Amino acid sequence: EAQVTQNPRYLITVTGKKLTVTCSQNMNHEYMSWYRQDPGLGLRQIYYSMNVEVTDKGDVPEGYKVSRKEKRNFPLILESPSPNQTSLYFCASSLSRSLGEKLFFGSGTQLSVL
Amino acid sequence: AQKITQTQPGMFVQEKEAVTLDCTYDTSDPSYGLFWYKQPSSGEMIFLIYQGSYDQQNATEGRYSLNFQKARKSANLVISASQLGDSAMYFCAMRETSNDYKLSFGAGTTVTVRA
Repeated sequence: EAQVTQNPRYLITVTGKKLTVTCSQNMNHEYMSWYRQDPGLGLRQIYYSMNVEVTDKGDVPEGYKVSRKEKRNFPLILESPSPNQTSLYFCASSLSRSLGEKLFFGSGTQLSVL
Repeated sequence: AQKITQTQPGMFVQEKEAVTLDCTYDTSDPSYGLFWYKQPSSGEMIFLIYQGSYDQQNATEGRYSLNFQKARKSANLVISASQLGDSAMYFCAMRETSNDYKLSFGAGTTVTVRA
């Protein structure tokens, strides 16, 4: 089954404790990205990657890191989480960046930083 | 400036009735794409429908149709014959040629279908 797999589904942590949210897709998609969802703000892009070893900042990259060492994986790293990073996070992928290319989303990671 | 505006935070609709979700957008690109996604309470994002800026006809997918008014920069989603399972949050999103690496999302509209 074609899918984007994100883990964990829920995560509670404390300020400053490094964490990684994993993302993997099995569709051989070139393009992957991370979004965060906050009430009243919709989804905002954190980082994106157009191919292996090619990543760039989105609209809200502060406090996050990513890497794309393999085509299928695109982990999101919070080196020193803070409470304002409490949010619902989505990994997404698509075959290309064509206008009509829809994003496939992971099931989301609800992160709480205490 | 907000690229996508969804002015209805929440709506109620009676089962079997139609509901229209408003979406206006702002872009100076001549070529762009508009998407609608559904997010049920379980949290996943489900693609519903797509409209290209140069498409001559309004997009339809089953009970979903997109009322695309290019001059008004609006892309309203119409759900016909609402079902209880349509209760969810709905997001309008846009991809522009000049920013093709991302979708810009609206704040979303929560729809509650009443029996």
